[in-house]
Amino acid sequence: GNSVTQMEGPVTLSEEAFLTINCTYTATGYPSLFWYVQYPGEGLQLLLKATKADDKGSNKGFEATYRKETTSFHLEKGSVQVSDSAVYFCAIKVGGGNKLTFGTGTQLKVEL
Amino acid sequence: DTAVSQTPKYLVTQMGNDKSIKCEQNLGHDTMYWYKQDSKKFLKIMFSYNNKELIINETVPNRFSPKSPDKAHLNLHINSLELGDSAVYFCASSQGEERIYGYTFGSGTRLTVV
Repeated sequence: GNSVTQMEGPVTLSEEAFLTINCTYTATGYPSLFWYVQYPGEGLQLLLKATKADDKGSNKGFEATYRKETTSFHLEKGSVQVSDSAVYFCAIKVGGGNKLTFGTGTQLKVEL
Repeated sequence: DTAVSQTPKYLVTQMGNDKSIKCEQNLGHDTMYWYKQDSKKFLKIMFSYNNKELIINETVPNRFSPKSPDKAHLNLHINSLELGDSAVYFCASSQGEERIYGYTFGSGTRLTVV
């Protein structure tokens, strides 16, 4: 089956620190990869995506590169802000099906 | 505003009761979903409808019954509520190229069973 593994949180960083949240996946086919973000009290929002190997998704200073050889899609940001505090979910979708499979989420806390 | 909207936002109820959560999207999407998020933030798909037709039905107790009167609405009815049903329930929708656009989520319904 399909599954997503994320690093456990919470991750606590100081403002302007470098962020990496690891995500690896197993899939029965060739997946599309997504990062979603959930701010406190809100629903999930699509942060970025990549649909084929070596694609780099980017948005709001966040980046992730589709690494087929390592089945990974790690999320990075060069300088985090307090406003980035949220839960981040890695997700995959395989083939023509509609189902997104999510990782367990990683909570990020950014402090001044 | 174009969005996925859920009601109610909060729902507190006693064990054994029956309750419904409503979801509407005005994005013109063909597919709608219900996800359950537990206390550890783990998200698990429950159901998916495409043009009013059930296409995904994960292992969910049959006390949970989705209803889609039209492609813009997907309601969730829960019978005989149990303590373990306490969670945040998210509705979502998508259209066609999900691999490109992903899902649009509602803001969630926090269900507390006491």
